[in-house]
Amino acid sequence: DIQVTQSPSSLLASLGERVTITCQTSQSISNNLNWYQQKPGQAPMLLIYYATSLQTGMPSRFSGQYSGRSFTLTITSLEPEDIANYFCLQHYSARPWTFGGGTKLELK
Amino acid sequence: EVQLQESGPGLVKPSQSLSLTCSVTGYSITSNYWGWIRKFPGNKMEWMGYISYSGSTSYNPSLKSRISITRDTSKNQFFLQLNSVTTEDTATYYCARRVGPWGQGVMVTVSS
Repeated sequence: DIQVTQSPSSLLASLGERVTITCQTSQSISNNLNWYQQKPGQAPMLLIYYATSLQTGMPSRFSGQYSGRSFTLTITSLEPEDIANYFCLQHYSARPWTFGGGTKLELK
Repeated sequence: EVQLQESGPGLVKPSQSLSLTCSVTGYSITSNYWGWIRKFPGNKMEWMGYISYSGSTSYNPSLKSRISITRDTSKNQFFLQLNSVTTEDTATYYCARRVGPWGQGVMVTVSS
């Protein structure tokens, strides 16, 4: 199976700060990775799909990049409503999907 | 707009089977991939398996002996069956499209 290592597991940041979260996969998956945001008591919301595409309706301060097996989610300027858990999901071809371990983003 | 909604019992007894339904509106399940995911207390997420547009399936190896995902294309629904459940299967269960929205989730407790 493809392993996904997500870092950091928790993150303290200030409003207006630039935030970066990373997922590293154990094998090449091309761009088959999504990023999700989840707030307590709510279903996960798709933020970024196929590594770089911003889901319709999501703020443009969210962006995704990748290079090889390393994928990053960036929030360019942290807003209060961005405080949440974030996780990635690789969904490469017909292989089993796997999640990153998640990042808990909190206000400093 | 694509919407997914899980349904099923919230309480299952140990050793019994857990059965959930995912009803999809706004998109045909004969396209794309449709998965079941669960989130355990403590926030760990686990992909359980998916059913493809053609009806083929793929399962998490850790569940392979206990899980079955099927579908009814006439109702645009797909289903999860997990056999021989234990308290370790207590979780919130979600259905989702490979790239797209998730359902709201259904909390399932395994307890006698």
